[in-house]
Amino acid sequence: EPEVTQTPSHQVTQMGQEVILRCVPISNHLYFYWYRQILGQKVEFLVSFYNNEISEKSEIFDDQFSVERPDGSNFTLKIRSTKLEDSAMYFCASSEGQPNSPLHFGNGTRLTVT
Amino acid sequence: AQSVTQLGSHVSVSEGALVLLRCNYSSSVPPYLFWYVQYPNQGLQLLLKYTTGATLVKGINGFEAEFKKSETSFHLTKPSAHMSDAAEYFCAVSDRSGGYNKLIFGAGTRLAVHP
Repeated sequence: EPEVTQTPSHQVTQMGQEVILRCVPISNHLYFYWYRQILGQKVEFLVSFYNNEISEKSEIFDDQFSVERPDGSNFTLKIRSTKLEDSAMYFCASSEGQPNSPLHFGNGTRLTVT
Repeated sequence: AQSVTQLGSHVSVSEGALVLLRCNYSSSVPPYLFWYVQYPNQGLQLLLKYTTGATLVKGINGFEAEFKKSETSFHLTKPSAHMSDAAEYFCAVSDRSGGYNKLIFGAGTRLAVHP
C-alpha cells in the first residue's frame, strides 16, 4: 500500500538555525498538509497545500514557516530561525482531496531545538 | 466551527475486556468523523471513518464506531482488548469549509492494556 514518507525521522538543531523537513506524499494525492504535535498535546493543523499554493494556514503558521513543492514528488516544510517552542513532532499528510477522503500520515519528524 | 472532545485522556483495560473510547463532536455541517491510532514512535494510522450511510462503521483490528447524531457522539469500541491495542487514539472531525478534508483532532486517549 502506498504511504507517505518523511525524512529525517529525528532532527536536532540549535535555536536560530533553519531546518527543512521533507515529505514524499502519495503520488496520486492532490492535497498536502503539515500538522504538529507538541509533546503531550493534541495534533494541530499547520497548513494545507493544493495546486502549488497554500490553501489554508493556521495562526501557528507565521512568517517563520514556509512550504514548497520543489518538484513533482517532494513537499517540504521550512522553519527559519527555529525557537525552543518549535520542538515537536511534525507530521506530513496527503489526501485525494474530497472532503470525505481520509488523510494519510507519515511517521513524522521529531524536531528538537536546543 | 468544528471541534472534538475526547473524554478520558487515559483508559486502562484488562486483556480481553471491552474497549470503549469516547468522542463527542461539534459541527455546523453534517460531520465526517475519523478515528486514528498512533503507536509509539509512529505516525497516525486511520482506523475507520464515517462519512454518510450506515452509522455503525467497522475498521481495522476489530474496532468499530457508531455515529449517533442525537448524542453528537462517535465512540470507538472493541469487544475484546488485545495487548497490541495499547496506543494513543485520536478522534477527528473534518472541517470542510475549504471544500477539502482538514482534520480537527481531539486531545487523544491513551489506551493501556494489562494482562
